[in-house]
Amino acid sequence: AQSVTQLGSHVSVSEGALVLLRCNYSSSVPPYLFWYVQYPNQGLQLLLKYTSAATLVKGINGFEAEFKKSETSFHLTKPSAHMSDAAEYFCAVSVSNFGNEKLTFGTGTRLTIIP
Amino acid sequence: DSGVTQTPKHLITATGQRVTLRCSPRSGDLSVYWYQQSLDQGLQFLIHYYNGEERAKGNILERFSAQQFPDLHSELNLSSLELGDSALYFCASSVRDRFNSPLHFGNGTRLTVT
Repeated sequence: AQSVTQLGSHVSVSEGALVLLRCNYSSSVPPYLFWYVQYPNQGLQLLLKYTSAATLVKGINGFEAEFKKSETSFHLTKPSAHMSDAAEYFCAVSVSNFGNEKLTFGTGTRLTIIP
Repeated sequence: DSGVTQTPKHLITATGQRVTLRCSPRSGDLSVYWYQQSLDQGLQFLIHYYNGEERAKGNILERFSAQQFPDLHSELNLSSLELGDSALYFCASSVRDRFNSPLHFGNGTRLTVT
């Protein structure tokens, strides 16, 4: 069975500082990995996705994530935090198992930006 | 704006009642997914429809049911409601029926059961 673990339910960083949100996955077959962002009172929005083409994936709003198979990780980073980055971030994993696919989300990490 | 429309935005009802949540997918999207988001359970996948056919079931209770109509809109029916059903219910759509296709989420329906 596939699963994803997000380390840290709350992360606070200063404006302009590095953002690092951690995600580790578990899957017996090559996974598809995603990061979604949820702003207050809104649905989830795709930030980026990994589908085995390149290990470093660039997304929207300056975010990127690196797939590390040896560490089963897909951490999300942004070099310089902006106040508008305050939101909840979800890592998700999907395994291609025809006829029985589902997208499994982590529990989320709430990112707070300190002025 | 994701292009996915969910109605109503808020719903307050009593235990034992039945409600229907509605979702209109993005234009051109054939897949509709329903998710439940609560503080204690996080985001839970409920069910997936593709072009009118059920494709996958997740942690959906027997009291809950869904369908996708020929015009591709979907409805989630929740019956015999319990306090624990209070949550945010999201609909998402995608072009294909594979989970490696990005999902586009609506803004959700907040259900409060009193």
